[in-house]
Amino acid sequence: AQSVTQLDSQVPVFEEAPVELRCNYSSSVSVYLFWYVQYPNQGLQLLLKYLSGSTLVKGINGFEAEFNKSQTSFHLRKPSVHISDTAEYFCAVSNNDYKLSFGAGTTVTVRA
Amino acid sequence: EAGVAQSPRYKIIEKRQSVAFWCNPISGHATLYWYQQILGQGPKLLIQFQNNGVVDDSQLPKDRFSAERLKGVDSTLKIQPAKLEDSAVYLCASSLTGTSGRANEQFFGPGTRLTVL
Repeated sequence: AQSVTQLDSQVPVFEEAPVELRCNYSSSVSVYLFWYVQYPNQGLQLLLKYLSGSTLVKGINGFEAEFNKSQTSFHLRKPSVHISDTAEYFCAVSNNDYKLSFGAGTTVTVRA
Repeated sequence: EAGVAQSPRYKIIEKRQSVAFWCNPISGHATLYWYQQILGQGPKLLIQFQNNGVVDDSQLPKDRFSAERLKGVDSTLKIQPAKLEDSAVYLCASSLTGTSGRANEQFFGPGTRLTVL
């Protein structure tokens, strides 16, 4: 079984500042890793995913994440945020059973 | 390409009443999932279908929740009777089936927000 820990429940950040959202996972087998974003009153939208290959993954809206197997982490970063990035962000992990286990989420609030 | 469709978007009911949610997955996606997302938490898998068969329903409270996917396309999730703690957003997702990593990519609908009073 796998579990996901998102280390920050709330992240306030000023517009055009960088942001990093931390995610650690526990799993005894190979994993696939995902970051989803959820805007208010909407479903989850995939930002990026790590399936295999390069450990630095680039996603939509300028986000990127780095898979670190030794630290079992998959932190999400964006060098310069916009007001429109205000949302909730979920890290998720799955293995070959195709079932996603989600973290509790990180709420990002971007202020002008 | 149309995304995952869900209805209704919002539902308010009294406790002990019944409610049903509908989901239409992306065309060609054989795997369908129902998740429960309680306020302040990440989504939790309730049930997973592949075509019209149940793959995993270990987290589904079967005394009050039921789900079906009769023709391997649309799915319905029902709660009968509802309790206060069932207040949540119910998300439907779908994915391709296969052994490649892409089969792990799930596409989510907008969800149904249920309030039980």
